[in-house]
Amino acid sequence: DQQVKQNSPSLSVQEGRISILNCDYTNSMFDYFLWYKKYPAEGPTFLISISSIKDKNEDGRFTVFLNKSAKHLSLHIVPSQPGDSAVYFCAASKAAGNKLTFGGGTRVLVKP
Amino acid sequence: SAVISQKPSRDICQRGTSLTIQCQVDSQVTMMFWYRQQPGQSLTLIATANQGSEATYESGFVIDKFPISRPNLTFSTLTVSNMSPEDSSIYLCSVMSRRTEAFFGQGTRLTVV
Repeated sequence: DQQVKQNSPSLSVQEGRISILNCDYTNSMFDYFLWYKKYPAEGPTFLISISSIKDKNEDGRFTVFLNKSAKHLSLHIVPSQPGDSAVYFCAASKAAGNKLTFGGGTRVLVKP
Repeated sequence: SAVISQKPSRDICQRGTSLTIQCQVDSQVTMMFWYRQQPGQSLTLIATANQGSEATYESGFVIDKFPISRPNLTFSTLTVSNMSPEDSSIYLCSVMSRRTEAFFGQGTRLTVV
């Protein structure tokens, strides 16, 4: 049973445009959510997080939106850059600092 | 942020053998986590390693297959025992920062032939 799902395995976007990555979860006990970026042959790198008491968190070009009633979160990257090409994972935990449950990942390709 | 070093970065092993992966952190951390990423799949938690106590394994993972040591607050090892081709994966160790986001090592790419 996949508790965190990323339904789009891949996304292609033009440089300068917005990338929108989506993530759905089923476990209502999750209350802390994170996004990670992963390049080949490297470990995942933390991007941004959000706790369930918020519906939006912004850090530079990255914004995460949380819709708790829909059990849905999204990551917006604006503007997209070629260096953003990577696999993006969303993750969830039952409390900040607890073990993470990951989605399947979305491979993003930003075209120059 | 924590700096995590994993060794080896990659290995090719014969089936039936065992491989021990080392994870060294540049600061003391309470909990360390071991994940597996099978080809084309997401990251799956194998176990949580606490210093001074036995590791806590997730459903589907057992100590006999994945024994873990945690001798101090900066070091842990994961052994993949009696390997089969299905164990071919990337194995990652992870720690939590004080700000609650997890940091990952660069991973160990294991191929079992």
